[in-house]
Amino acid sequence: EVQLVESGGGLVQPGRSLRLSCAASGFTFDDYAMHWVRQAPGKGLEWVSGISWNSGSIGYADSVKGRFTISRDNAKNSLYLQMNSLRAEDTALYYCAKDPAKDYDSSGYFDYWGQGTLVTVSS
Amino acid sequence: SSELTQDPAVSVALGQTVRITCQGDSLRSYYASWYQQKPGQAPVLVIYGKNNRPSGIPDRFSGSSSGNTASLTITGAQAEDEADYYCNSRDSSGNRHVVFGGGTKLTVL
Repeated sequence: EVQLVESGGGLVQPGRSLRLSCAASGFTFDDYAMHWVRQAPGKGLEWVSGISWNSGSIGYADSVKGRFTISRDNAKNSLYLQMNSLRAEDTALYYCAKDPAKDYDSSGYFDYWGQGTLVTVSS
Repeated sequence: SSELTQDPAVSVALGQTVRITCQGDSLRSYYASWYQQKPGQAPVLVIYGKNNRPSGIPDRFSGSSSGNTASLTITGAQAEDEADYYCNSRDSSGNRHVVFGGGTKLTVL
């Protein structure tokens, strides 16, 4: 059974940093691209970032480019999102999502999702 | 970046058929995928590719596409189908992004 478990969310002040983690199990982690997708309270889904199976190809939404960094550790079956210079508009539930393909920009969809970790940016 | 547009809300009588649409230029080049999200839960993939259902998704869910419009059809809507539905696809503007529609709230009457 595929499982994606996010952690690391919390309350953080504007301008500060936070690192999210996603622990994956139930599939061969290093065979697939992974993504972060977020959902602001009461709003829709927004793709944040994607990373290919070997970290060779990475993409970011314009709204986070230059502030967020996605990474993965295939030996630990883990995905990460380092979030710097956080803003109030980054407040959201952050989902880790699995791609059915090796490259993050190949399939365009997500076949498994975690339950999310909530990030609140407020002073 | 490309945009995908969905109607904010749609309703259907129990047992009837409903179509939820998604419009955008990227859909001329790429298939849409569809997700169901119930309150307090993570999204679940219901349709991907031309018209494929993941294991466990009832066959009353189907997908289609024409031009810049993709559709999710629920044939014989059930009470448990009441949820938010999101479409998404690859971005066709060359930036290698992924885009989502704004979501459609489906009410089963």
